Amino acid sequence: GEDVEQSLFLSVREGDSSVINCTYTDSSSTYLYWYKQEPGAGLQLLTYIFSNMDMKQDQRLTVLLNKKDKHLSLRIADTQTGDSAIYFCAEVDGNTGKLIFGQGTTLQVKP
Amino acid sequence: GAVVSQHPSWVICKSGTSVKIECRSLDFQATTMFWYRQFPKQSLMLMATSNEGSKATYEQGVEKDKFLINHASLTLSTLTVTSAHPEDSSFYICSARVRGPYEQYFGPGTRLTVT
Repeated sequence: GEDVEQSLFLSVREGDSSVINCTYTDSSSTYLYWYKQEPGAGLQLLTYIFSNMDMKQDQRLTVLLNKKDKHLSLRIADTQTGDSAIYFCAEVDGNTGKLIFGQGTTLQVKP
Repeated sequence: GAVVSQHPSWVICKSGTSVKIECRSLDFQATTMFWYRQFPKQSLMLMATSNEGSKATYEQGVEKDKFLINHASLTLSTLTVTSAHPEDSSFYICSARVRGPYEQYFGPGTRLTVT
């Protein structure tokens, strides 16, 4: 079946850039997403990228998509302590329209 | 942006009782809503897909008689955990999909604890 993989943990210092990586298997995915989950809360849609794009930037967030390698990354510039959370990468299953989530990357931001 | 609410945010119930969780899209109509379950430090597990006015589609391994889903209107879906047991304790999250680019917006989640 379809699969999405992420590294589980990333630690950075406040002010540094964070890069969270994700690989996926469904080449027919039209959209790929990044969600943020803070403790005890639901998921917040951060951004998404259409599969015919290579890059999308939204304020401090930059999404890069390498469709050939099926690799997606999320870069957070000037990372703040409020960015500490779990970040989920997700793709849309081309057949069912369902979201397939990665395991989530815990981002720890040290002051 | 699109807002999805869930009620209650947390509930504690005794084993054998039933619990209903509501999911509402507040400022948009959602033809499709999803129910997920999340265990601590794990990703979300899709339980079922709910389309307004029709029966929910359950994922493999999810008991439809135990987790009853009703999607009576374009803004409301409910999940009822029937005859709850301690192993049903979990974080339940709903989401609603808008038309177009498959954007899904998530509710804040409901923490269920069965004693």
